[in-house]
Parts: sequence; structure tokens; C-alpha cells
Amino acid sequence: GNSVTQMEGPVTLSEEAFLTINCTYTATGYPSLFWYVQYPGEGLQLLLKATKADDKGSNKGFEATYRKETTSFHLEKGSVQVSDSAVYFCALSDQITGNQFYFGTGTSLTVIP
Amino acid sequence: KAGVTQTPRYLIKTRGQQVTLSCSPISGHRSVSWYQQTPGQGLQFLFEYFSETQRNKGNFPGRFSGRQFSNSRSEMNVSTLELGDSALYLCASSPDRNSGNTIYFGEGSWLTVV
Repeated sequence: GNSVTQMEGPVTLSEEAFLTINCTYTATGYPSLFWYVQYPGEGLQLLLKATKADDKGSNKGFEATYRKETTSFHLEKGSVQVSDSAVYFCALSDQITGNQFYFGTGTSLTVIP
Repeated sequence: KAGVTQTPRYLIKTRGQQVTLSCSPISGHRSVSWYQQTPGQGLQFLFEYFSETQRNKGNFPGRFSGRQFSNSRSEMNVSTLELGDSALYLCASSPDRNSGNTIYFGEGSWLTVV
């Protein structure tokens, strides 16, 4: 079956530090991979996605590369800001289950000035 | 373009009651899916509707049900509420069911069961 394993949090970083949040997946087919972000009191927003192996998704300084050989989709940002404080979710969907997404448990990030 | 709209945003219900939550998808989106978010279980898929038909269903008891109308708006219903049903219920919409689609979330309905 499909599942996503995500790095446990919470993560606390100083402003301008480098961020990595690990995500690995198990899938029966050829999944699409996503990172969503949730700010306090809000729903989830798409941060970036990749739909096939070796694709790199990027947005707002964040990036992640779809690695089929290691079944990973790690999120990185070179220099975090206070405004990046949020909960980050790794997710996958596959061509069989369509819009049924499988989410990781979420990683809470706090960036301190 | 208006986003996904969920109503009500907050509600408190008593154990044993039922509740109906509403979701209006982004204009032109035909797929609507529902998720339950709790601190202990994270985000769990409830069901997906497309063209008024349920396409997928998650592992929830029959007390959880939904429907979709011809204008793509969707409702979910929870009957005989239990304390454990307290959660944030998120609706998401997508244009269709193609592989690799992004789903767009509303802000959610916070349900507290007392």
C-alpha cells in the first residue's frame, strides 16, 4: 500500500539557517509527490510538487527532488525566515487512487530571529 | 478566483447528535475530497466525490457519509457523534481526477464534540 514517512519534529532553527525535512515513501505504482504547508488556523497550501522521477519541485526558495532509487522527497531551503514557521506535510498520490492523498505526520518548524 | 469555501468554520455539538458540513469547491473543479485532521492521527482521507459519485472511501465507519450536488458543492455528515470525532475537517477540490493533480484545501471546519 501507499504510505509516507516524515521526519519527526518539532524543528527549531535560527533565521538564515539551512533547512532539511526528510520524507520517504512507499507506493505500489508511480506516485506524484507533494509538499504542503499549514500556517496556524489555516488549511493546507501547496508548496511544491514533482510528478516523475528526477523532477525537482521549487517554490519560494524551497526545493525537493523526486528520488525513485531512494524513494525520497526531502524538502530543503538554504536560508529560512521567521515567516517560514509552519507545519510541513509530505504527501503522495497515485494514478490508481486519483485524488486520494496519503500524508505524512507533519513537521512543525519554528524559526527564531 | 475564489478558493475552497467551507462552512461553518467552528461548531460545538453534543455526543449523540449529528452534524453536516458544507464545502464549495473552486469554480470549475469537479472533484471534492474530505479529510479529517487530528493531533493523534494526522490527516486521514474520508472520501472523494466526482460528478456526484463517490469514487474513493477511506477507512471510517458508516456514521461518516457525504454527497455531491450537480454544481459540485459537497456536504459531509457525521451521525451519532462521538468525542473522538472532534477534529478539523478539511475539504479539498481539484479540476478532475488526472494523475499528478494538485488538490486545493479550504480552511476547514473545526468540530468539537462535548
